[in-house]
Amino acid sequence: EDKVVQSPLSLVVHEGDTVTLNCSYEVTNFRSLLWYKQEKKAPTFLFMLTSSGIEKKSGRLSSILDKKELFSILNITATQTGDSAIYLCAVGSYNNNDMRFGAGTRLTVKP
Amino acid sequence: DAGVIQSPRHEVTEMGQEVTLRCKPISGHNSLFWYRQTMMRGLELLIYFNNNVPIDDSGMPEDRFSAKMPNASFSTLKIQPSEPRDSAVYFCASSLEGGRISPLHFGNGTRLTVT
Repeated sequence: EDKVVQSPLSLVVHEGDTVTLNCSYEVTNFRSLLWYKQEKKAPTFLFMLTSSGIEKKSGRLSSILDKKELFSILNITATQTGDSAIYLCAVGSYNNNDMRFGAGTRLTVKP
Repeated sequence: DAGVIQSPRHEVTEMGQEVTLRCKPISGHNSLFWYRQTMMRGLELLIYFNNNVPIDDSGMPEDRFSAKMPNASFSTLKIQPSEPRDSAVYFCASSLEGGRISPLHFGNGTRLTVT
């Protein structure tokens, strides 16, 4: 059965710290891995990764995929209180159209 | 674009009552997904449609749950009869070509409380 595991489950840091969130997966016929940020309401899309070793970057956020070791990391540098959210990892396969989500990492950034 | 629109935003009902959740996907998106989110189980896929046709409903908890998509711009998720363990946030999401190819766009969810 497909599996997506995120770690840590929760994390508390102070403004200015750098954090690394992890997502490992076991999926048949892997196609893509996506990161979402969920604040109070709907998850919003951050990155989609399909190829190993190619970093995606948006401001202070960046992400990379390792298809050999079956994991991805999401880095946030110089964290701000507005980065506080649940970060979700989702994986899609060629077998079907759906996305399987991990349990998420709850990040709290303290001033 | 207005994004994915869900209604109602909140629903409080008594056990045994019928609940209907509604979703309008983004125009032009051909895949629609219903997810349920709880603290214990996170985001769980219930069912998804491709071009209005249900593709995989293996995530639907039991016969009390049903979903329809009569046209490209509307979908419903119905729970009958509702039970307290159905309390959760229900999200609808749509995507251009299916979640594995293009990102999901989520609605703001319906928070369901069954007492």
